[in-house]
Amino acid sequence: NAGVMQNPRHLVRRRGQEARLRCSPMKGHSHVYWYRQLPEEGLKFMVYLQKENIIDESGMPKERFSAEFPKEGPSILRIQQVVRGDSAAYFCASSPPFGGAGIFGPGTRLTVL
Amino acid sequence: QQQVKQSPQSLIVQKGGISIINCAYENTAFDYFPWYQQFPGKGPALLIAIRPDVSEKKEGRFTISFNKSAKQFSLHIMDSQPGDSATYFCAAVSGNTPLVFGKGTRLSVIA
Repeated sequence: NAGVMQNPRHLVRRRGQEARLRCSPMKGHSHVYWYRQLPEEGLKFMVYLQKENIIDESGMPKERFSAEFPKEGPSILRIQQVVRGDSAAYFCASSPPFGGAGIFGPGTRLTVL
Repeated sequence: QQQVKQSPQSLIVQKGGISIINCAYENTAFDYFPWYQQFPGKGPALLIAIRPDVSEKKEGRFTISFNKSAKQFSLHIMDSQPGDSATYFCAAVSGNTPLVFGKGTRLSVIA
């Protein structure tokens, strides 16, 4: 079991471009959560998804950000028209159907130039 | 209601000493309390976790103490080592809802 996988590990974008971050949950986990971590800060919840459903997106900015977890394939966090303030580490976590602590991936470090 | 308050913000401990990090919560619906360890440039790693029907859980040098009536829980690292130097986050969760994290404690263990 390879654990939670995220790619790319590092992503550099210029202002105005799009960023796509991918997360493959652990085998047997059906719940995916995305968190953002700014330098020297804690983890802020963004969005919670199950297959083909967004369960809670209360932490995700309403503009430019979107997330999906299709029936097949990884979960994707998409940031359109990136700005410098989007530079952060984005972590995905997954958990099994019965809940509990999430298992985190290694993160994607987004740098916006 | 959804906050988890963590203290101290930073901690310096001598090698071999005991590191203690405290957390407090308000929401009584929380039913699982994990601790995560994060090294620079890495993702948070689940360290140890406890449910509220247990007052203490020990795994190696790491112990969680849980006080349900006070709505507080703490992480104790016995015989702290330089390799324990990291940022520690407490969290709380109810079922499948998203984890609610404390702001983190940066631990430095000095020789």
